[in-house]
Parts: sequence; structure tokens; C-alpha cells
Amino acid sequence: GAVVSQHPSRVICKSGTSVKIECRSLDFQATTMFWYRQFPKQSLMLMATSNEGSKATYEQGVEKDKFLINHASLTLSTLTVTSAHPEDSSFYICSARTGRENSPLHFGNGTRLTVT
Amino acid sequence: GQNIDQPTEMTATEGAIVQINCTYQTSGFNGLFWYQQHAGEAPTFLSYNVLDGLEEKGRFSSFLSRSKGYSYLLLKELQMKDSASYLCATLDSNYQLIWGAGTKLIIKP
Repeated sequence: GAVVSQHPSRVICKSGTSVKIECRSLDFQATTMFWYRQFPKQSLMLMATSNEGSKATYEQGVEKDKFLINHASLTLSTLTVTSAHPEDSSFYICSARTGRENSPLHFGNGTRLTVT
Repeated sequence: GQNIDQPTEMTATEGAIVQINCTYQTSGFNGLFWYQQHAGEAPTFLSYNVLDGLEEKGRFSSFLSRSKGYSYLLLKELQMKDSASYLCATLDSNYQLIWGAGTKLIIKP
């Protein structure tokens, strides 16, 4: 089946630093990838839709200058949390579809970010 | 507005059957997904329904009634490893996924 690889799985950083999270589609090409954030005991919240070769589409309330998304190839999207603060501590998950718009999302394993 | 409701938490016994309900109100409808999410892990796909009726896949079945805006996930022969959160999500008219908050299922021996 389709595999989405996300790295790192866990990261602890100091407040004010930047963290880059990578999301790769291993056995398929993903023109679109989705970045989610999930706080404890809460639902998945879509942050942005990453489009290969063009600018990402951000959801309302998500700061595009803080959460930089780059989708330079059909198999790689990156999310950079810039100048991280403790309130950015969360579980970040990327996902992609292998087919049509009603095909299921395949998720990476997620990145647990802790900002101290 | 768009809304998905599912119970916050359910408890069931190993070997038993449990039904997790999901009701939805969305702008348009292009199908409903069920995902399983173990604690600290990413969601994994369980089922997709777009037509009314029951879809059976091993121990798991999913039902949809579009007229009632209602779905359920049925888990049979429960195993301890089924302890997880179960997320209901619908595709709206723009093929955007609308997620429920998830139902935490606790399985007791």
C-alpha cells in the first residue's frame, strides 16, 4: 500500500528556534499534501494544503510566515515552524492521496514537537 | 455550518460488539470515512462509504444513511488492540475533509 514517511518523529527545541519537518511519499507521486496539527484529545485540524510547484493554501487562522511550507518535488513536502514558541507544541501530521479526490488519505507517522 | 458529532468515549468488553455512531451536517456530501488512531500515532484508514448501506470488511463494518446524515462503525469480536480513537470524517462539496473529534474506545478484559 501507499506509504507516507515523516521525519523526525519527535523533536524538542528551545523557544525561538526553527524546526523543519519532512514528509515524503515513498511509492507514489503526490501533487498535493496536507499538513495537520492535533492537540491532545482534540480532532485533526487542517493547517494547509501543499501543492507541488506552487504556493501552499493556508487555512484561516494559520500564519503562513510562521509555518513555512515548501513542496519542491512530487515526493517531498516540508513544514518549517519558525521561531517556535511553547504554544506551538503539538502533534504535526502530513498526509497525501494516491488517487482521486474521494480516495482515502494516507498519513505519515506524525511529528511530536515540544518547544521548551 | 458544518458539523460532525460522535461520542467522546465508549467502553466495551473484549470479545463483544460495539457500535460507534456519527452524525453529520455538511455542505454537500461526497462520502464518509472512518479512521482508527492509536494514541500517539497517525490515523489509519478503515472504511469509505458514499452510498447508503452496509460495507463489511472483516471484523469491521461501516453503515451509511445519507438521508439521515448518519453513519456507524461496527466492531465485532473486540480485541484489546482495538483500543484506540475512531475518527469520522466527511467529504463536503469541495472535497474538503471535515473531521469529527473522535471516539475513544476502551476495551476491558
